[in-house]
Amino acid sequence: DAKTTQPNSMESNEEEPVHLPCNHSTISGTDYIHWYRQLPSQGPEYVIHGLTSNVNNRMASLAIAEDRKSSTLILHRATLRDAAVYYCILRDGQFYFGTGTSLTVIP
Amino acid sequence: DVKVTQSSRYLVKRTGEKVFLECVQDMDHENMFWYRQDPGLGLRLIYFSYDVKMKEKGDIPEGYSVSREKKERFSLILESASTNQTSMYLCASSLGTDTFDTQYFGPGTRLTVL
Repeated sequence: DAKTTQPNSMESNEEEPVHLPCNHSTISGTDYIHWYRQLPSQGPEYVIHGLTSNVNNRMASLAIAEDRKSSTLILHRATLRDAAVYYCILRDGQFYFGTGTSLTVIP
Repeated sequence: DVKVTQSSRYLVKRTGEKVFLECVQDMDHENMFWYRQDPGLGLRLIYFSYDVKMKEKGDIPEGYSVSREKKERFSLILESASTNQTSMYLCASSLGTDTFDTQYFGPGTRLTVL
């Protein structure tokens, strides 16, 4: 299974940008990078995904390193509702969820 | 919006009971999945199904079985519940199985086995 490494936890002040890192040094050429998040007491929800180029959507941006061995999820202005566990996943057949990064947003 | 619903948010059962966890999706998705989530272990795949009456084992199928008689419904069965099956159970569905396909999750069922 494809492996990712994320910090266990991060903090951010409300309304400031947040950069959530993910290392995936064993990524293969066809692996998509997916990000999901899990709000308290809910199932995971899709955030964004990409292959090689940086991606933007209404929730976040995904910056992918040129060698694809790392990526960063960017929340442009953190709100209290963004407090969640964020999972970085390499899609290699099935999804393999690790333990993710628990983001705390400080008012 | 895709909707994945699970029959119960909380469930308490006794050791040895047969337990059914039901999952329904309303988007005509081909694929459905059952995961369990435990602290420190993330989500682990139990079983998945690519079509009606089809099932495939995931990473931790022992002690579980599944049923998919209709496309929209995927059931997880604990034949004889044990305390080590106390966990959060999450159902998901996806349209396809390509590496860019999105999975949509239900809210989860927190099962406690006494």
